[in-house]
Amino acid sequence: LAKTTQPISMDSYEGQEVNITCSHNNIATNDYITWYQQFPSQGPRFIIQGYKTKVTNEVASLFIPADRKSSTLSLPRVSLSDTAVYYCLVGDNMGRRALTFGSGTRLQVQP
Amino acid sequence: DVKVTQSSRYLVKRTGEKVFLECVQDMDHENMFWYRQDPGLGLRLIYFSYDVKMKEKGDIPEGYSVSREKKERFSLILESASTNQTSMYLCASSSQGPYEQYFGPGTRLTVT
Repeated sequence: LAKTTQPISMDSYEGQEVNITCSHNNIATNDYITWYQQFPSQGPRFIIQGYKTKVTNEVASLFIPADRKSSTLSLPRVSLSDTAVYYCLVGDNMGRRALTFGSGTRLQVQP
Repeated sequence: DVKVTQSSRYLVKRTGEKVFLECVQDMDHENMFWYRQDPGLGLRLIYFSYDVKMKEKGDIPEGYSVSREKKERFSLILESASTNQTSMYLCASSSQGPYEQYFGPGTRLTVT
């Protein structure tokens, strides 16, 4: 399984755009990139998934460069409620292998 | 909405006790997972199952076993609880491939 590296923590202010980058140098051809969000005392929640280029949903955007060795989760105009831990995962969507969660990035949004 | 429920939010057990953690999902998902979460270590996969009566070891299976007799239910068993198994335990389920996993609220287990 491709190993991922993310910053341990990030700070931001309300209304700003936040970009969290994840590196995955050993990503395989069949691997997808997925991001989860976790609030304190809750289980993680799926945010977004992509394979290449750009994916956007109502919550976030995911940017994946052509070499796919990294990806960036973009949260537009964050609010205090976006304070959470964000996990980047990489893995094959076809098989029955489970994914590995790393330590994630702790995002703190200040007023 | 997918619902994943876990039998207890908080549990206190003594060292050496046999502990059962139950997880039930209501969306007919094929895959189910058990994780533990500890400060600074993120989520670590204990076991997962992609079908009834099937199981596969995750990253940290030692000291744990699992049971999946019905599709909707996945149980985690601590045969003889130890203090280093004090942790938050999270169950999840997904359909077709492990990606969009739906998590339960977690069980905070304390072993004294």
